Amino acid sequence: SQTIHQWPATLVQPVGSPLSLECTVEGTSNPNLYWYRQAAGRGLQLLFYSVGIGQISSEVPQNLSASRPQDRQFILSSKKLLLSDSGFYLCALQPGTRGAEAFFGQGTRLTVV
Amino acid sequence: KNQVEQSPQSLIILEGKNCTLQCNYTVSPFSNLRWYKQDTGRGPVSLTIMTFSENTKSNGRYTATLDADTKQSSLHITASQLSDSASYICVVSAPRGSTLGRLYFGRGTQLTVWP
Repeated sequence: SQTIHQWPATLVQPVGSPLSLECTVEGTSNPNLYWYRQAAGRGLQLLFYSVGIGQISSEVPQNLSASRPQDRQFILSSKKLLLSDSGFYLCALQPGTRGAEAFFGQGTRLTVV
Repeated sequence: KNQVEQSPQSLIILEGKNCTLQCNYTVSPFSNLRWYKQDTGRGPVSLTIMTFSENTKSNGRYTATLDADTKQSSLHITASQLSDSASYICVVSAPRGSTLGRLYFGRGTQLTVWP
């Protein structure tokens, strides 16, 4: 069965510092991978999605970037964090099967101070 | 534009009562629709998944309906419990292999169950 690992669970970073959140998946190949952000009291906002290695689509212009160096690895990064980058970040995968269910990581609570 | 709209944005009910959450979507082509439950500070967990040919699917006290013609879905919760307090998210997916091949999320309905 598919599993998704996301870390760290919580992170406190100063404004202007870099960011790297990692998501790795197991039990599937060639999945669709997603990064979402959820601000307090708000719904999920799609940040990036990837249909394969090196293929990244960005949904909204922002201070963040994503990379997929391996089939089962998805990384969310920033060179300089802003206060507005605070939020709950979720990685999700959709296995390489038509109509398959999506699975979510447990999320990273990022607080920029 | 592919969108998923949920209503109401928030809902408060008393324990033991029933409630219905709504989801309207414009995603096309359409592969399947899912309802997720997200507890505060956790990742969403799947409740039901339906393809365009399915009208109703149940998972315990949760019953989801789908009308692919009108592009509407509902999630009915029966005999609510305190543990049902969470955000319920409607997710619509386009067929994999299309130029879309991705998920479309609603903003969720925040349900609070009071004793």
